[in-house]
Amino acid sequence: GAVVSQHPSRVICKSGTSVKIECRSLDFQATTMFWYRQFPKQSLMLMATSNEGSKATYEQGVEKDKFLINHASLTLSTLTVTSAHPEDSSFYICSAGEPSGGYNEQFFGPGTRLTVL
Amino acid sequence: AQSVTQLGSHVSVSEGALVLLRCNYSSSVPPYLFWYVQYPNQGLQLLLKYTSAATLVKGINGFEAEFKKSETSFHLTKPSAHMSDAAEYFCAVKGRGNTPLVFGKGTRLSVIA
Repeated sequence: GAVVSQHPSRVICKSGTSVKIECRSLDFQATTMFWYRQFPKQSLMLMATSNEGSKATYEQGVEKDKFLINHASLTLSTLTVTSAHPEDSSFYICSAGEPSGGYNEQFFGPGTRLTVL
Repeated sequence: AQSVTQLGSHVSVSEGALVLLRCNYSSSVPPYLFWYVQYPNQGLQLLLKYTSAATLVKGINGFEAEFKKSETSFHLTKPSAHMSDAAEYFCAVKGRGNTPLVFGKGTRLSVIA
């Protein structure tokens, strides 16, 4: 099946710093990728839709200036958490659909656990 | 718009007993439906998916689910629980095309020896 990777798997940073998370589709091209956030003991919530070559679209309540998304190629989307604060500590997961499969499912990366001290 | 309701945030069963995790969906279009399992501090693992083929779907680790359109349900079952099944389970729905998943709130399954 299609494979999506994320890097890093875990990151700890100080409050006020910026953190970049990468999401890659390894064996297919992804014109669209989705970013989700999961707070402890909660479900996954869609944060934003990343579109190759155009601006990302954000869900209501997600600050676009805080969560910068860049989808510069057909296999890579990046999420940058700017000026991170402890309340941004969460599990961030990306997904992408595989075109030859008719987009009937999304393939998820393994996730990135962000801890802001 | 799509949504998923998982009935019961916590289900506890004895080892060897039937596992039943309930999921009801709402969708304005024929849905794709999924069950995922998440172990502590890990990512999502796909258990099974319904993509408009057979209504009874068999997945990994002995799990299966039945799509019932009349009841808008997609309940997950396993005949005999193992200790290793203890985890968080998420039901999710998706529309057609390159669209994201919408997740339910999750059900924590505990298995008692």
